Amino acid sequence: KAGVTQTPRYLIKTRGQQVTLSCSPISGHRSVSWYQQTPGQGLQFLFEYFSETQRNKGNFPGRFSGRQFSNSRSEMNVSTLELGDSALYLCASRDGFRELFFGEGSRLTVL
Amino acid sequence: AQSVTQLDSQVPVFEEAPVELRCNYSSSVSVYLFWYVQYPNQGLQLLLKYLSGSTLVKGINGFEAEFNKSQTSFHLRKPSVHISDTAEYFCAVSEGYSTLTFGKGTMLLVSP
Repeated sequence: KAGVTQTPRYLIKTRGQQVTLSCSPISGHRSVSWYQQTPGQGLQFLFEYFSETQRNKGNFPGRFSGRQFSNSRSEMNVSTLELGDSALYLCASRDGFRELFFGEGSRLTVL
Repeated sequence: AQSVTQLDSQVPVFEEAPVELRCNYSSSVSVYLFWYVQYPNQGLQLLLKYLSGSTLVKGINGFEAEFNKSQTSFHLRKPSVHISDTAEYFCAVSEGYSTLTFGKGTMLLVSP
């Protein structure tokens, strides 16, 4: 089985722009979660989607949003980018309520 | 609410020495526990998991962990480390249907 695929792997944006990140889960997995990883804050949970519905949400401002499509692929969007949004964004999928399987991440740099 | 504390941000160790990475969790209900490893510029890879049953869990790459409910701990151990074990290690907890909550990570630095 192919693993979790995230695109793009690297991107550079400037303050005020918006960005969309994409995630394709492992085949058969209906749950997709997103995490933000920074050196200071570690791994912080953004949101989880299951069958196109947001099931859980972390403590992030409304500039961070996501969605899931009928084929379980997911996207997350960050609008009005700030310098502090520079991070590694990790997507993970799972089958049921157990372990997460992670992609390699999308590294966002905001200038 | 669930939370995870990894007591050491960095653990330096010599090659072939044993190592223990500490993890304590806080939860009011039954939990699932996980250890993940992250190599530079990569995502997280599952090392091992405790869901139920035996409290001693064996994982990949010679790692093992012991679930101690009374001490709310899930420490990770390896009897003899290699240079290639240098990486960041994350402990995580989930309750029932919740998502995973991660600790801040422990950087394992193995030197020759």
